[in-house]
Amino acid sequence: GDSVTQMEGPVTLSEEAFLTINCTYTATGYPSLFWYVQYPGEGLQLLLKATKADDKGSNKGFEATYRKETTSFHLEKGSVQVSDSAVYFCALSSGGSNYKLTFGKGTLLTVNP
Amino acid sequence: GAVVSQHPSWVICKSGTSVKIECRSLDFQATTMFWYRQFPKQSLMLMATSNEGSKATYEQGVEKDKFLINHASLTLSTLTVTSAHPEDSSFYICSVAHPAGEKLFFGSGTQLSVL
Repeated sequence: GDSVTQMEGPVTLSEEAFLTINCTYTATGYPSLFWYVQYPGEGLQLLLKATKADDKGSNKGFEATYRKETTSFHLEKGSVQVSDSAVYFCALSSGGSNYKLTFGKGTLLTVNP
Repeated sequence: GAVVSQHPSWVICKSGTSVKIECRSLDFQATTMFWYRQFPKQSLMLMATSNEGSKATYEQGVEKDKFLINHASLTLSTLTVTSAHPEDSSFYICSVAHPAGEKLFFGSGTQLSVL
Protein backbone atom coordinates (compact mmCIF):
# COMPACT_ATOMS: atom_id res chain seq x y z
CA GLY A 1 0.00 0.00 0.00
CA ASP A 2 0.90 3.67 -0.09
CA SER A 3 3.20 5.05 2.58
CA VAL A 4 5.05 8.24 3.49
CA THR A 5 8.24 8.42 5.50
CA GLN A 6 9.38 11.75 6.81
CA MET A 7 12.23 12.89 8.92
CA GLU A 8 11.80 12.31 12.63
CA GLY A 9 11.72 15.37 14.78
CA PRO A 10 11.83 17.45 16.67
CA VAL A 11 13.90 19.90 14.68
CA THR A 12 15.18 23.01 16.45
CA LEU A 13 16.74 25.85 14.48
CA SER A 14 17.78 29.42 15.04
CA GLU A 15 16.05 32.19 13.15
CA GLU A 16 17.35 32.65 9.58
CA ALA A 17 18.74 29.11 9.44
CA PHE A 18 18.19 26.85 6.43
CA LEU A 19 15.51 24.21 6.79
CA THR A 20 15.20 20.81 5.17
CA ILE A 21 12.63 18.22 6.17
CA ASN A 22 13.04 15.00 4.23
CA CYS A 23 10.09 13.09 2.85
CA THR A 24 10.06 9.92 0.75
CA TYR A 25 7.10 7.91 -0.42
CA THR A 26 5.96 4.64 -1.91
CA ALA A 27 2.85 4.56 -4.02
CA THR A 28 1.29 2.87 -6.97
CA GLY A 29 0.85 4.96 -10.06
CA TYR A 30 1.52 8.68 -10.03
CA PRO A 31 0.52 10.25 -6.74
CA SER A 32 0.05 13.91 -5.94
CA LEU A 33 2.28 15.11 -3.13
CA PHE A 34 1.53 17.62 -0.39
CA TRP A 35 3.01 19.39 2.57
CA TYR A 36 0.60 20.42 5.31
CA VAL A 37 1.42 22.62 8.29
CA GLN A 38 -0.27 22.69 11.68
CA TYR A 39 0.31 25.74 13.83
CA PRO A 40 -0.35 25.42 17.57
CA GLY A 41 -4.06 25.19 18.33
CA GLU A 42 -5.09 25.19 14.67
CA GLY A 43 -6.08 22.65 12.03
CA LEU A 44 -3.79 21.36 9.33
CA GLN A 45 -3.42 23.75 6.41
CA LEU A 46 -2.18 23.00 2.94
CA LEU A 47 1.26 24.56 2.55
CA LEU A 48 2.12 23.45 -0.96
CA LYS A 49 1.58 20.65 -3.43
CA ALA A 50 2.89 19.11 -6.62
CA THR A 51 0.93 16.88 -8.94
CA LYS A 52 3.52 15.49 -11.34
CA ALA A 53 7.19 14.68 -11.60
CA ASP A 54 9.59 17.65 -11.56
CA ASP A 55 6.84 20.03 -10.41
CA LYS A 56 7.93 22.44 -7.72
CA GLY A 57 5.41 23.55 -5.14
CA SER A 58 6.10 26.78 -3.31
CA ASN A 59 4.42 29.00 -0.74
CA LYS A 60 5.51 31.40 2.02
CA GLY A 61 9.17 30.86 1.13
CA PHE A 62 8.88 27.08 1.38
CA GLU A 63 9.62 24.87 -1.62
CA ALA A 64 9.46 21.19 -2.47
CA THR A 65 10.20 19.43 -5.75
CA TYR A 66 8.50 16.20 -6.85
CA ARG A 67 11.38 13.82 -7.59
CA LYS A 68 10.07 10.64 -9.16
CA GLU A 69 13.49 9.06 -9.57
CA THR A 70 14.19 9.26 -5.84
CA THR A 71 10.50 9.14 -4.76
CA SER A 72 11.08 12.20 -2.64
CA PHE A 73 9.42 15.52 -1.85
CA HIS A 74 11.75 17.28 0.57
CA LEU A 75 10.60 20.55 2.12
CA GLU A 76 13.08 23.45 2.16
CA LYS A 77 13.19 27.05 3.28
CA GLY A 78 16.19 29.28 2.99
CA SER A 79 15.65 31.38 6.10
CA VAL A 80 13.20 30.29 8.79
CA GLN A 81 11.37 32.60 11.14
CA VAL A 82 10.02 32.10 14.64
CA SER A 83 6.52 32.14 13.14
CA ASP A 84 7.38 28.99 11.14
CA SER A 85 7.34 26.95 14.34
CA ALA A 86 4.75 24.25 13.71
CA VAL A 87 4.27 20.60 12.85
CA TYR A 88 4.83 19.75 9.19
CA PHE A 89 3.19 16.76 7.53
CA CYS A 90 4.13 15.23 4.20
CA ALA A 91 1.26 13.47 2.44
CA LEU A 92 0.26 11.84 -0.82
CA SER A 93 -2.90 11.01 -2.63
CA SER A 94 -3.30 8.41 -5.32
CA GLY A 95 -6.06 6.69 -7.17
CA GLY A 96 -7.34 9.91 -8.69
CA SER A 97 -8.64 11.51 -5.51
CA ASN A 98 -7.02 14.41 -3.69
CA TYR A 99 -9.28 13.78 -0.74
CA LYS A 100 -7.94 10.47 0.53
CA LEU A 101 -4.53 11.24 1.91
CA THR A 102 -1.74 9.10 3.29
CA PHE A 103 0.28 11.07 5.82
CA GLY A 104 3.74 10.89 7.30
CA LYS A 105 4.18 11.07 11.07
CA GLY A 106 4.77 14.81 11.16
CA THR A 107 7.87 16.77 12.10
CA LEU A 108 7.82 19.35 14.87
CA LEU A 109 9.86 22.42 13.99
CA THR A 110 10.83 24.94 16.64
CA VAL A 111 12.56 28.13 15.57
CA ASN A 112 14.29 30.12 18.29
CA PRO A 113 14.96 33.86 18.05
CA GLY B 1 -10.95 32.62 10.33
CA ALA B 2 -11.45 28.92 10.83
CA VAL B 3 -13.32 27.05 8.13
CA VAL B 4 -13.82 23.92 10.24
CA SER B 5 -14.80 23.85 13.88
CA GLN B 6 -14.06 20.69 15.85
CA HIS B 7 -15.20 20.20 19.45
CA PRO B 8 -14.20 19.43 22.04
CA SER B 9 -10.48 20.08 21.72
CA TRP B 10 -9.76 17.64 24.51
CA VAL B 11 -11.79 15.23 26.58
CA ILE B 12 -11.09 12.86 29.44
CA CYS B 13 -13.53 10.05 30.11
CA LYS B 14 -13.85 6.89 32.12
CA SER B 15 -13.47 3.49 30.54
CA GLY B 16 -16.78 2.16 29.26
CA THR B 17 -18.37 5.53 28.55
CA SER B 18 -19.10 7.03 25.14
CA VAL B 19 -17.68 10.23 23.78
CA LYS B 20 -19.02 12.35 20.92
CA ILE B 21 -16.81 14.60 18.80
CA GLU B 22 -18.35 17.20 16.49
CA CYS B 23 -17.00 18.53 13.22
CA ARG B 24 -18.70 21.56 11.68
CA SER B 25 -18.14 23.13 8.31
CA LEU B 26 -18.52 26.88 8.91
CA ASP B 27 -18.18 28.37 5.44
CA PHE B 28 -19.76 25.91 3.04
CA GLN B 29 -21.96 22.87 2.80
CA ALA B 30 -20.03 19.64 2.63
CA THR B 31 -21.32 16.30 1.48
CA THR B 32 -18.06 14.61 2.40
CA MET B 33 -16.04 14.77 5.59
CA PHE B 34 -13.22 12.58 6.83
CA TRP B 35 -12.16 11.31 10.25
CA TYR B 36 -8.52 10.57 11.11
CA ARG B 37 -6.77 9.20 14.17
CA GLN B 38 -3.21 9.80 15.23
CA PHE B 39 -1.44 7.79 17.92
CA PRO B 40 1.68 9.30 19.53
CA LYS B 41 4.61 9.37 17.12
CA GLN B 42 2.50 7.77 14.40
CA SER B 43 0.98 9.00 11.16
CA LEU B 44 -2.51 10.37 10.81
CA MET B 45 -4.56 7.38 9.73
CA LEU B 46 -7.80 7.74 7.82
CA MET B 47 -10.57 6.02 9.78
CA ALA B 48 -13.63 6.69 7.69
CA THR B 49 -15.30 8.83 5.07
CA SER B 50 -18.49 10.49 6.25
CA ASN B 51 -21.13 10.97 3.57
CA GLU B 52 -24.12 13.23 4.15
CA GLY B 53 -27.35 11.29 4.10
CA SER B 54 -25.78 7.87 3.79
CA LYS B 55 -23.65 5.41 5.71
CA ALA B 56 -20.03 6.18 6.38
CA THR B 57 -17.32 4.24 4.59
CA TYR B 58 -14.82 2.75 7.01
CA GLU B 59 -11.20 1.91 6.29
CA GLN B 60 -9.99 -1.62 6.78
CA GLY B 61 -9.46 -2.51 10.42
CA VAL B 62 -11.71 0.24 11.82
CA GLU B 63 -14.69 -1.09 13.82
CA LYS B 64 -17.82 0.65 12.58
CA ASP B 65 -19.82 -0.38 15.66
CA LYS B 66 -17.25 1.20 17.92
CA PHE B 67 -16.73 4.42 15.96
CA LEU B 68 -20.19 5.63 15.04
CA ILE B 69 -20.31 8.35 12.42
CA ASN B 70 -23.35 10.47 11.77
CA HIS B 71 -23.47 13.04 8.97
CA ALA B 72 -27.05 14.17 9.29
CA SER B 73 -26.62 17.64 7.79
CA LEU B 74 -24.42 19.30 5.21
CA THR B 75 -22.48 21.15 7.89
CA LEU B 76 -22.13 18.63 10.70
CA SER B 77 -20.52 15.24 11.14
CA THR B 78 -20.13 13.53 14.49
CA LEU B 79 -17.86 10.72 15.61
CA THR B 80 -18.96 8.78 18.68
CA VAL B 81 -16.44 6.52 20.36
CA THR B 82 -18.64 3.95 22.08
CA SER B 83 -17.62 2.06 25.22
CA ALA B 84 -14.26 3.75 25.16
CA HIS B 85 -11.19 1.96 26.49
CA PRO B 86 -7.69 3.22 27.24
CA GLU B 87 -6.44 1.92 23.90
CA ASP B 88 -8.83 4.36 22.19
CA SER B 89 -6.90 7.25 23.66
CA SER B 90 -5.66 9.16 20.65
CA PHE B 91 -5.80 12.41 18.71
CA TYR B 92 -8.83 12.53 16.41
CA ILE B 93 -8.99 14.99 13.49
CA CYS B 94 -11.75 15.72 11.01
CA SER B 95 -11.47 17.26 7.59
CA VAL B 96 -14.01 18.71 5.20
CA ALA B 97 -13.89 18.42 1.43
CA HIS B 98 -14.75 21.62 -0.39
CA PRO B 99 -17.38 20.83 -3.03
CA ALA B 100 -16.07 23.23 -5.65
CA GLY B 101 -12.52 22.01 -5.80
CA GLU B 102 -10.14 19.38 -4.56
CA LYS B 103 -9.22 21.05 -1.32
CA LEU B 104 -9.44 19.79 2.24
CA PHE B 105 -9.94 21.87 5.36
CA PHE B 106 -9.02 20.40 8.73
CA GLY B 107 -10.31 20.77 12.23
CA SER B 108 -7.88 21.48 15.05
CA GLY B 109 -8.30 18.01 16.49
CA THR B 110 -9.58 16.37 19.66
CA GLN B 111 -7.29 14.74 22.20
CA LEU B 112 -9.16 11.86 23.82
CA SER B 113 -7.84 10.33 27.02
CA VAL B 114 -9.65 7.30 28.41
CA LEU B 115 -8.89 6.45 32.02
